[in-house]
Amino acid sequence: DAEITQSPRHKITETGRQVTLACHQTWNHNNMFWYRQDLGHGLRLIHYSYGVQDTNKGEVSDGYSVSRSNTEDLPLTLESAASSQTSVYFCASSSGSADTQYFGPGTRLTVL
Amino acid sequence: QKEVEQNSGPLSVPEGAIASLNCTYSDRGSQSFFWYRQYSGKSPELIMFIYSNGDKEDGRFTAQLNKASQYVSLLIRDSQPSDSATYLCAVSGSSNTGKLIFGQGTTLQVKP
Repeated sequence: DAEITQSPRHKITETGRQVTLACHQTWNHNNMFWYRQDLGHGLRLIHYSYGVQDTNKGEVSDGYSVSRSNTEDLPLTLESAASSQTSVYFCASSSGSADTQYFGPGTRLTVL
Repeated sequence: QKEVEQNSGPLSVPEGAIASLNCTYSDRGSQSFFWYRQYSGKSPELIMFIYSNGDKEDGRFTAQLNKASQYVSLLIRDSQPSDSATYLCAVSGSSNTGKLIFGQGTTLQVKP
């Protein structure tokens, strides 16, 4: 069955370190999205991609970057982790412009 | 003004009752509307989507859309304790970008 996976599921890191969160989907979806979820803020879009070599900034993109070298993967990199980036991160994918987004299981990141 | 608004709750209903969850949105050109359920510590999972004005039923769930009033709701009939979760309303933008805007969610508690 097609699925979307994220790794690691839990990560503890220190302020200033570079961190990469992986997202892999086997739906063959063109669209992929990264969100963070914090109490009081709901799901906020970080970056998104409509296909290979395409990346776009979302509403909370500062301090994050993504790259899309193939259809299946959209890794999220925190260039220099900050305590404000402690959050739960969800990756999602969809096949078209009005289609349902399917979510991965999430990564809980703690920055000390 | 938030683009997608939901009452955070908690909304408490007795087992067997009808739970009514509401969502308003600000972009009059929005085309697609989604309801996701999120259990504590888990990722959002799709319950229903609706594109046209009126009602759409799926088992115990009914989604209702009124574009003139910019209002979408989710009714859960015969509520069960297993329905206790946070329900996220998501709305597509009018520019058909594939992005979704999420409300902060309504927490539903179904008491036995």
